[in-house]
Amino acid sequence: SAVISQKPSRDICQRGTSLTIQCQVDSQVTMMFWYRQQPGQSLTLIATANQGSEATYESGFVIDKFPISRPNLTFSTLTVSNMSPEDSSIYLCSVRSGFNTGELFFGEGSRLTVL
Amino acid sequence: QKEVEQNSGPLSVPEGAIASLNCTYSDRGSQSFFWYRQYSGKSPELIMFIYSNGDKEDGRFTAQLNKASQYVSLLIRDSQPSDSATYLCAVSRGNEKLTFGTGTRLTIIP
Repeated sequence: SAVISQKPSRDICQRGTSLTIQCQVDSQVTMMFWYRQQPGQSLTLIATANQGSEATYESGFVIDKFPISRPNLTFSTLTVSNMSPEDSSIYLCSVRSGFNTGELFFGEGSRLTVL
Repeated sequence: QKEVEQNSGPLSVPEGAIASLNCTYSDRGSQSFFWYRQYSGKSPELIMFIYSNGDKEDGRFTAQLNKASQYVSLLIRDSQPSDSATYLCAVSRGNEKLTFGTGTRLTIIP
């Protein structure tokens, strides 16, 4: 299994500011996935972060709002830009298992509250 | 139509009974199917995965897959209060992204 560390674990932010979430994995992985979980909702994929190339964004998410970096095979960052209260969510970093199960491992999440 | 749909619940089941959770998906190219459990304030954790039609059992959990009907279910036998959580169905075409359902909140009543 993969061990994924995310920080910050939680933060309270002011409207209009930006916050960068860091994700560190204990092994090299090709793809890292960033999900958002709004209060009382399920998980929605924001983007897939590939090392050495631009992230692939899902419908409804754009690079200007959620820029992603992937400088190496064990690390990624997600920035939530120009935040509004609607961005208050849990942001989860995840990676797929390299084994046949292909299960998704999650970090502990970053809970952001935007005032 | 959402890609992955689940009954939102909440679903209440007496302790010791069987809890049945259902999920339908729209993408016929889906190949991998997962059930995750999420306790309040925690990240999702994998309960079961299934790739082939039929049943797959693991302890008190049984996953059932019917690709023709685009339907996957999770049965929890001898339900325990510790099974109270939100259960998320997820599907994948291959070794790429997982698409999650809306989740079903399950409460086991002592």
